Amino acid sequence: DQQVKQNSPSLSVQEGRISILNCDYTNSMFDYFLWYKKYPAEGPTFLISISSIKDKNEDGRFTVFLNKSAKHLSLHIVPSQPGDSAVYFCAARGSGNTPLVFGKGTRLSVIA
Amino acid sequence: DGGITQSPKYLFRKEGQNVTLSCEQNLNHDAMYWYRQDPGQGLRLIYYSQIVNDFQKGDIAEGYSVSREKKESFPLTVTSAQKNPTAFYLCASRIRGLDTGELFFGEGSRLTVL
Repeated sequence: DQQVKQNSPSLSVQEGRISILNCDYTNSMFDYFLWYKKYPAEGPTFLISISSIKDKNEDGRFTVFLNKSAKHLSLHIVPSQPGDSAVYFCAARGSGNTPLVFGKGTRLSVIA
Repeated sequence: DGGITQSPKYLFRKEGQNVTLSCEQNLNHDAMYWYRQDPGQGLRLIYYSQIVNDFQKGDIAEGYSVSREKKESFPLTVTSAQKNPTAFYLCASRIRGLDTGELFFGEGSRLTVL
């Protein structure tokens, strides 16, 4: 039973355009959401997060949007760069010290 | 520099052998985690520990064991009972009690069973 779903295994975008990665969750107790970026044979690195009390958080080229009523969040990267090519994981957590639950990831390819 | 160190980076094991993966952090984090990554499966939680001498099973704990004798160290043993141990293993840590704290990951250990 997947609590965090990334339904697109892969996405290809041209350099300079916008990349939109989507994530859906089923657990209404989740109140903190994160995006991680991962290169092959390396550990994931934290990218951006959002609390459930917000609907948008922006950090440079990266913006995360949260729609609580739809249990949906998305990561926007604009403009996309070839170095953004990686696997992106969506993760969610409830309050307190509950562990992060990860989606299966979306592989982004930015084509020059 | 502060961080999480996993060793070895690559490990080969014969069927029926136990193997221990090391994870050390100098971030002074209370909570530590072990995840497993398989192609198309994302990251799945094996075990986690919130404080020294305490740990909890994650979603796929069968065939694994852990210990947490020191704050800095959280080794994972892959036992012969684990049916499909070939995978990429990731150790992570975070500050306990900080709801907005993100996980910091090590570089991972790739285990291959021959």
